[in-house]
Amino acid sequence: KAGVTQTPRYLIKTRGQQVTLSCSPISGHRSVSWYQQTPGQGLQFLFEYFSETQRNKGNFPGRFSGRQFSNSRSEMNVSTLELGDSALYLCASSVTPGHLKETQYFGPGTRLLVL
Amino acid sequence: GNSVTQMEGPVTLSEEAFLTINCTYTATGYPSLFWYVQYPGEGLQLLLKATKADDKGSNKGFEATYRKETTSFHLEKGSVQVSDSAVYFCALGGSQGNLIFGKGTKLSVKP
Repeated sequence: KAGVTQTPRYLIKTRGQQVTLSCSPISGHRSVSWYQQTPGQGLQFLFEYFSETQRNKGNFPGRFSGRQFSNSRSEMNVSTLELGDSALYLCASSVTPGHLKETQYFGPGTRLLVL
Repeated sequence: GNSVTQMEGPVTLSEEAFLTINCTYTATGYPSLFWYVQYPGEGLQLLLKATKADDKGSNKGFEATYRKETTSFHLEKGSVQVSDSAVYFCALGGSQGNLIFGKGTKLSVKP
């Protein structure tokens, strides 16, 4: 069974631009979560989607948004990019929405560099 | 709220040495506990998990036991290899559906 896939793997953007990242979950997984990883802040939760609905959101500004499609694929968008948005963005999928017991499986990540 | 405290590295060991990476947690409810590993330039891979107290998760020679009395989930391996060099993250399931991670421990194994 194929794992979580993320595209693109690398991106370079300039301040003020916007970017869209894509994630395809493991077949049969209906929940997708996004995380931001930076050296300073570590791994931080962005949001979670299930059945095309955002279930939970982390403490990030409204410039960060996402959506999920009927085939469970998900996209996240960052508008008006800032230098501090440079990070590795990780997507994770699980069978059902994340809770205390659910296991999440991660993709390889998209590395975003904002210049 | 739920939180994870993980020993900070870096940890440098010689090949075949014994490894322990400490992880303690604070949690309401009974979350699952996880260890993930991140190799250079890659995403996170699930290494092992435990879903309830006294469960032992194991994989590739690594193991960790869910200790409710000491709120710990320490990662151990009896004999590390150069290929184990990576960053290791302890995590637990959060009440909002997210995983809560420790800061990560970088392990370097020298031949």
